[in-house]
Amino acid sequence: QQQVKQSPQSLIVQKGGISIINCAYENTAFDYFPWYQQFPGKGPALLIAIRPDVSEKKEGRFTISFNKSAKQFSLHIMDSQPGDSATYFCAASIMTSGSRLTFGEGTQLTVNP
Amino acid sequence: EADIYQTPRYLVIGTGKKITLECSQTMGHDKMYWYQQDPGMELHLIHYSYGVNSTEKGDLSSESTVSRIRTEHFPLTLESARPSHTSQYLCAVGRRPDTGELFFGEGSRLTVL
Repeated sequence: QQQVKQSPQSLIVQKGGISIINCAYENTAFDYFPWYQQFPGKGPALLIAIRPDVSEKKEGRFTISFNKSAKQFSLHIMDSQPGDSATYFCAASIMTSGSRLTFGEGTQLTVNP
Repeated sequence: EADIYQTPRYLVIGTGKKITLECSQTMGHDKMYWYQQDPGMELHLIHYSYGVNSTEKGDLSSESTVSRIRTEHFPLTLESARPSHTSQYLCAVGRRPDTGELFFGEGSRLTVL
């Protein structure tokens, strides 16, 4: 059972544009929602994360929007740059259950110069 | 930050061989995890440990086994490798104190012929 669904599978954006990746989850017990960025040949690295008590979190060009009632959250990358080209994974976990992350399927982002 | 070392980075072996993928961390964190990732695909949790002599199976069934005899080491073993085991294996460490964030190693890419 896929508990975290991510879309789109791939995304091509022009430099300076906005990249938007969406995720939906099923388990209402999830209370931690991170986004990870992965470059080829590397392990994923935490980009930004949100807890369900807030609806939005912004760090530089990266923003998470969270809709608890819809069980959805999204990543917005403003002013996208070629260096942002990577695979992005949303994830979810239950903090009291040992931070075992359940990942979405991933989105391959390409930012053209 | 947690420094995580995975060896080997790449391994090509024949069917039936026994292999051990090593994972070590230098920060003394208790929580460690193994994820399996097929190219361009989502990560699946296969094993985790919350401390010495504590190991549990993850969400994805795996024929591999793990051990946690020392805090800093969390090796993964396949007794008899098969082509279906071909994948990338990522080791991760939980932050202390627990914020939900996981730090990932660069992975071990296994190919079984």
